Amino acid sequence: QKEVEQNSGPLSVPEGAIASLNCTYSDRGSQSFFWYRQYSGKSPELIMFIYSNGDKEDGRFTAQLNKASQYVSLLIRDSQPSDSATYLCAVMDAGNMLTFGGGTRLMVKP
Amino acid sequence: ETGVTQTPRHLVMGMTNKKSLKCEQHLGHNAMYWYKQSAKKPLELMFVYSLEERVENNSVPSRFSPECPNSSHLFLHLHTLQPEDSALYLCASSQGRSLNSPLHFGNGTRLTVT
Repeated sequence: QKEVEQNSGPLSVPEGAIASLNCTYSDRGSQSFFWYRQYSGKSPELIMFIYSNGDKEDGRFTAQLNKASQYVSLLIRDSQPSDSATYLCAVMDAGNMLTFGGGTRLMVKP
Repeated sequence: ETGVTQTPRHLVMGMTNKKSLKCEQHLGHNAMYWYKQSAKKPLELMFVYSLEERVENNSVPSRFSPECPNSSHLFLHLHTLQPEDSALYLCASSQGRSLNSPLHFGNGTRLTVT
């Protein structure tokens, strides 16, 4: 059973701070890693994906991947109240099967 | 219309009813998916269609029956459901199933089984 683990939260950060969202996965053969954002009552939307070790930056978002530790994270700089949502980590294996974590609920307080 | 469209947005049905969920994608993708999202549980993959052929059936009960008549349309036929089947059902599409092919989700159908 392939597992993707996330702390359910809520993670509460003040406006302007850095929010750090973490995800661990069990399958060492995992190839690609995705972060989705899901607002309450809405469908998940892709924020970014990463497949090489290291950091990948896109605007205020940075994804970090460490395959040796089976760990992927998402940093949100200058957090805004509009970033308040549930963030889903998804891991794709060598067979192109995508497994989702349970999500972390982020609350950014003004 | 652009993106992935699901209808209906909300559905309430009795355990003896038969209903269908519809999904249409306008992205030119060739893979389509049904996911189930229950409260406090991760997204669960139900079915995958690639080039209109079912390539994954994730041990889903037979009371859920998918249909993919072409690469743009996907249905989920429902019959004799149970109350525990109440959930948000999400359709998604992607361009192939490669490493860099993210899913694009529809807005979902909120299903309540009474």
